[in-house]
Amino acid sequence: ETGVTQSPTHLIKTRGQQVTLRCSSQSGHNTVSWYQQALGQGPQFIFQYYREEENGRGNFPPRFSGLQFPNYSSELNVNALELDDSALYLCASSFIGGQGSGYTFGSGTRLTVV
Amino acid sequence: DAKTTQPPSMDCAEGRAANLPCNHSTISGNEYVYWYRQIHSQGPQYIIHGLKNNETNEMASLIITEDRKSSTLILPHATLRDTAVYYCIVRVASLTGGGNKLTFGTGTQLKVEL
Repeated sequence: ETGVTQSPTHLIKTRGQQVTLRCSSQSGHNTVSWYQQALGQGPQFIFQYYREEENGRGNFPPRFSGLQFPNYSSELNVNALELDDSALYLCASSFIGGQGSGYTFGSGTRLTVV
Repeated sequence: DAKTTQPPSMDCAEGRAANLPCNHSTISGNEYVYWYRQIHSQGPQYIIHGLKNNETNEMASLIITEDRKSSTLILPHATLRDTAVYYCIVRVASLTGGGNKLTFGTGTQLKVEL
């Protein structure tokens, strides 16, 4: 059973650019969520995808968007990058279909915006 | 999701039990208590969860008070590798996914020392 893998592990972008982060879900999971974690803070929920559609969103602007593919892998896209977007971006997969489902997180992508 | 309160930091001697408290006085009847931990520069790791009964697995034990307003995560024999930020989270287990997000606070930084 493979876990959640994210790529790239580190990334440096310039303010105003666009970035795409990728995530492969754990085998057997059908839901993927993305979180942003600023330094010294807990992860903050960005959005969740289920059946290839956004199914819940946190307090993030529309320039944060995503995709989920038929194989349950996912992308997070951020347009018009701002300095405050510098953070660790975490992907988590889970299985919807039963109560108390746990999440499996990847190790994250460290994004630095300069 | 109900709000949780945790002490910002705790110390524990290696080999001793680490008892991490969490207050969730506004928890609803259908909300579970989840515990995750995050070792530096890694994604959060699921530890344990419960609804109202005490739970135990290979990693830890979860003790939930009878009124469900607080809980304690117990690491029975803490090691240096247990040094991490521990998050207590309460949430509804939704079958459709819309409420499946995790709301992280700032957690408890547990430091295990020799």
